[in-house]
Amino acid sequence: AQSVTQPDIHITVSEGASLELRCNYSYGATPYLFWYVQSPGQGLQLLLKYFSGDTLVQGIKGFEAEFKRSQSSFNLRKPSVHWSDAAEYFCAANDYKLSFGAGTTVTVRA
Amino acid sequence: DAGVTQSPTHLIKTRGQQVTLRCSPKSGHDTVSWYQQALGQGPQFIFQYYEEEERQRGNFPDRFSGHQFPNYSSELNVNALLLGDSALYLCASSDGRALETQYFGPGTRLLVL
Repeated sequence: AQSVTQPDIHITVSEGASLELRCNYSYGATPYLFWYVQSPGQGLQLLLKYFSGDTLVQGIKGFEAEFKRSQSSFNLRKPSVHWSDAAEYFCAANDYKLSFGAGTTVTVRA
Repeated sequence: DAGVTQSPTHLIKTRGQQVTLRCSPKSGHDTVSWYQQALGQGPQFIFQYYEEEERQRGNFPDRFSGHQFPNYSSELNVNALLLGDSALYLCASSDGRALETQYFGPGTRLLVL
C-alpha cells in the first residue's frame, strides 16, 4: 500500500543547532513530495515541494530537503534552528490526493 | 490576495446531530479537498471536488458528503455525528491539475459531545 512514514515522533533540539527530520515513502512511482508545518491550533503551511529535477530543494524559513530515490527518502533540514521553529512537521506525498505521515513534533530548548 | 478561508472556526455538536462546514478556495483555484485531522495524527483525506463533482474519495463512510458550488467554494456535511468525528477539519485548494500543490485553510475544530 502507498504510504508515508515519519520515523521520529518527537525531536528536541537546542536553539542554534541543526535539525533533520526524516521521511520515507512507499509508492510504485515517485510521487510529488511536500513538507508542511503546523503551529498549535493552526492550519498547514507549505515549506517546500519536490516534483522533479534537482534533488536538493529550498523552501521558506531557511528549510531545505533532499530527495534520495535509492532510499525512498525526502528528509527535511535546517542548519540553525530558531525558537519559532517549534511546531509539528508533516511530510506528504501527492498521487492525486495528499497522504501524510503521522508528523514529527519539534521542541526547541533555549 | 485572500488565502483559503473556512467557517466556522469552532463548533460544538452532540451525537446524532448534523454539521455543515464551509470553505472558500484561494483566488484562482478551482479544486477543493477536505481532510480530517484527529488529535495527534496526520490529516486524512476525505474527498476532493472539481467542477462541482466529487473526483476522488478517501476511506470515509457515506455520512460524510460534500458539495462544490459554481464559485468553487465547498461544503462538507457530516450526518449522524459520532464522538469519533471530533477533529480538526481542513480544507485545501489547488488549481485543478491533479498533482498541483494544495494550500490549506486554518481549519474548523469540531467537538462532538
